[in-house]
Amino acid sequence: RKEVEQDPGPFNVPEGATVAFNCTYSNSASQSFFWYRQDCRKEPKLLMSVYSSGNEDGRFTAQLNRASQYISLLIRDSKLSDSATYLCVRSQGNLIFGKGTKLSVKP
Amino acid sequence: EAQVTQNPRYLITVTGKKLTVTCSQNMNHEYMSWYRQDPGLGLRQIYYSMNVEVTDKGDVPEGYKVSRKEKRNFPLILESPSPNQTSLYFCASSSVPSGSLGGELFFGEGSRLTVL
Repeated sequence: RKEVEQDPGPFNVPEGATVAFNCTYSNSASQSFFWYRQDCRKEPKLLMSVYSSGNEDGRFTAQLNRASQYISLLIRDSKLSDSATYLCVRSQGNLIFGKGTKLSVKP
Repeated sequence: EAQVTQNPRYLITVTGKKLTVTCSQNMNHEYMSWYRQDPGLGLRQIYYSMNVEVTDKGDVPEGYKVSRKEKRNFPLILESPSPNQTSLYFCASSSVPSGSLGGELFFGEGSRLTVL
């Protein structure tokens, strides 16, 4: 059962690039969506909650498209420190995590 | 400092030898949960707890037990570990049910378990 699907990557981009990740979900009754970031060998940490109207936090923009059942994360002006795995998460009571998309930002 | 603390961080054990992974949070959170993370499978919930003495199964509870006798502690018990329980385990807590907006999950640093 693939409830949350993400392109595993890796996405290899140069510093300063804009990169976008998409995540599709199968359960239309899902209530809330989140992006978590996980550094190598570390615990996941919340990056952004995803609101219906879309939301922005500095260089990061998250959008939700309920009709097409996907959420996206856009990172502008990539930094070396953005290198990590990005986990798409949907909830319907409990949280369902995607397997993650790996981003590697190169100098 | 607000944190979730797991112990041990690393453990190598043998099949059938009971072990407990402890988890403690200092944020007075009601909601706690255990996940395992495996390559190619992502994070999967093992058990969760809404409050003291209230626990329920997650997606992959087989072979695990939990208890919630105190609000701050949520130990994971492997009564008879098997090699397929070799994994990276994360404990997490949140102030509200994690599916709610505002229900940010705070994870521990992880416990890497190897069962031979």
